[in-house]
Amino acid sequence: NAGVTQTPKFQVLKTGQSMTLQCAQDMNHNSMYWYRQDPGMGLRLIYYSASEGTTDKGEVPNGYNVSRLNKREFSLRLESAAPSQTSVYFCASGVRTGIYGYTFGSGTRLTVV
Amino acid sequence: KNEVEQSPQNLTAQEGEFITINCSYSVGISALHWLQQHPGGGIVSLFMLSSGKKKHGRLIATINIQEKHSSLHITASHPRDSAVYICAVRSGGSQGNLIFGKGTKLSVKP
Repeated sequence: NAGVTQTPKFQVLKTGQSMTLQCAQDMNHNSMYWYRQDPGMGLRLIYYSASEGTTDKGEVPNGYNVSRLNKREFSLRLESAAPSQTSVYFCASGVRTGIYGYTFGSGTRLTVV
Repeated sequence: KNEVEQSPQNLTAQEGEFITINCSYSVGISALHWLQQHPGGGIVSLFMLSSGKKKHGRLIATINIQEKHSSLHITASHPRDSAVYICAVRSGGSQGNLIFGKGTKLSVKP
């Protein structure tokens, strides 16, 4: 099925550990996004990529890095995890021309202890 | 002040009731999205609209650009409609990224 595939679904890290969240879409969308979702808050944009080869900071980029490996794949890396990064992370993709909808991955529940 | 405000925050309804969820925004937008997040966590796009009204099954979304307001209506509600409904606006700037409301948690009792 066409969509956005996000891995892993769950992860527990110790403070200071690193990890990479993977995201791939097969809808030929130009734009891809990483969001975090915390209780009582709306989804917040971490980083986005408007097209292959470009990445830009969103609202809450500190402590994260991203790579747009190709048009399909957009990864999010935590170099040194902190408890404040405990959250649910969503990857999404969309088309940047005209009016478009978004497709979201199933989410990664990350706990940093 | 949040740029996207939803009301109510929580809503409990009996099966069969007509439900309305409201979204107000304070920025210029090029489109507004309604999303549904089920208890399992997955997020699904329900509607994307920039004017007027859209209907899909028992769901209806309306937007009033002048008043900067949108509503999501659910007719003949069912327990399977229980979810968090999220309003998001695509800003009118060049990047056009989404700004999200905090969501409305709907619980439909049988």
